[in-house]
Order: sequence, then C-alpha cells, then structure tokens
Amino acid sequence: DADVTQTPRNRITKTGKRIMLECSQTKGHDRMYWYRQDPGLGLRLIYYSFDVKDINKGEISDGYSVSRQAQAKFSLSLESAIPNQTALYFCATSDLGGQGKDTQYFGPGTRLTVL
Amino acid sequence: GESVGLHLPTLSVQEGDNSIINCAYSNSASDYFIWYKQESGKGPQFIIDIRSNMDKRQGQRVTVLLNKTVKHLSLQIAATQPGDSAVYFCAETSAGGTSYGKLTFGQGTILTVHP
Repeated sequence: DADVTQTPRNRITKTGKRIMLECSQTKGHDRMYWYRQDPGLGLRLIYYSFDVKDINKGEISDGYSVSRQAQAKFSLSLESAIPNQTALYFCATSDLGGQGKDTQYFGPGTRLTVL
Repeated sequence: GESVGLHLPTLSVQEGDNSIINCAYSNSASDYFIWYKQESGKGPQFIIDIRSNMDKRQGQRVTVLLNKTVKHLSLQIAATQPGDSAVYFCAETSAGGTSYGKLTFGQGTILTVHP
C-alpha cells in the first residue's frame, strides 16, 4: 500500500547535522502525524497537524520541528541531530470519519542512525 | 499521565491455535480503541477498532473485546497462522478536547506462531 510514502527509508548521519524526513500521502486526509519508535517500545508522538495551518507538539517534540507544506506533505526536521535520536520514524495520516472514528494509516518508516 | 500498557510482552502459539493478546488502559475518558499489527520492517497496520459503546466487535478471524469496568482490551485471533507473527499494539484516544485524534500506544506484544 503506497498511500503513505516516506523518504528516505534509511539514513545514517553524524551528530550535529540537520536532517529532514519527508512524508507524502495520496489518501486525501487532513490529519498527519510523526512518531518515533525505539526498540521494544511503542510509538511516541512527536508532532501532529490537523490541517495545513495547524501544527501541534506531541509528547516528545524537543529537538524536532515540522513543516506542513501542503495537505499531502508533512516534513520532520532534526535541526542538530544527536545519537539518542537514532530510531525508526513513522508518518501517519487520518481522516475523522463517521461516528468520530479516526483510524491512522502509517507509512513504511524511516530508519535513522545518528553517529 | 495516562497510559496504555500490555500485560504480556511475548506470546508463542502453535499454528491453528487461538491467540489472545491483552491490553490495559488507564484513561477512563478513552472512548475509541484500535489494534495494530506491525510486521518486521513495516509500519503498523490497522486490524480492528472498537468504540466504548460496544463490548465486542468481530472481523475476519479477529475479535476485539472491551471491558470498560476494568479498563481492559483484548484481541483474539482465531486459527492463528504463521503470517500472523508480528508485534501487536493497542492504541487509544478520547473524544473531545485537545487530545482527540491523538493516539496513545501500548508497549506491544510479540506474537510468534510456530508451524
């Protein structure tokens, strides 16, 4: 399912470098999300956007920033990467459906390693 | 803060057996729950959801049970197959306020199905 795509799929970088992860979706959803996943842990929300002009911090936003360039695009930036930001990053989209159901659909993930 | 957690981090079953994966949640305001399946190298995939006005919901080979009294959620997989091997996450969100649409994920349960 290529409705939600992420680039790059893998990235190795060095401490202090600026990194941008990109997410695109063809589902026509208004809502987009960025999560990180660490080994053995669930997903933690970094930032989310309910529409193009709406950006909100999640539970672990420190060290990250986002840009919602269009309904279909939501980018995550690490301004100055540090090793503890090594993780798997997922983008997700959702559309508030009937009866308030808000199922999220995830991209394939970006594996980021910060040396 | 509120959290969603899992009782069992790993579960091993024989092919053909039924599997039950459990999840406890602590936010009494939660009213929408989702089970996700994450296969190795992939993003989480939606399996089934349930709203708090229901106790049970069935899908294809999967059933979700919700016990609001004890804040417990379970995923039952019938006739488990090797392709069901994955990490399973429960997630919850609550209607209304600033938290609506933001999912809180549990730690995850690793399901291994032996042929």
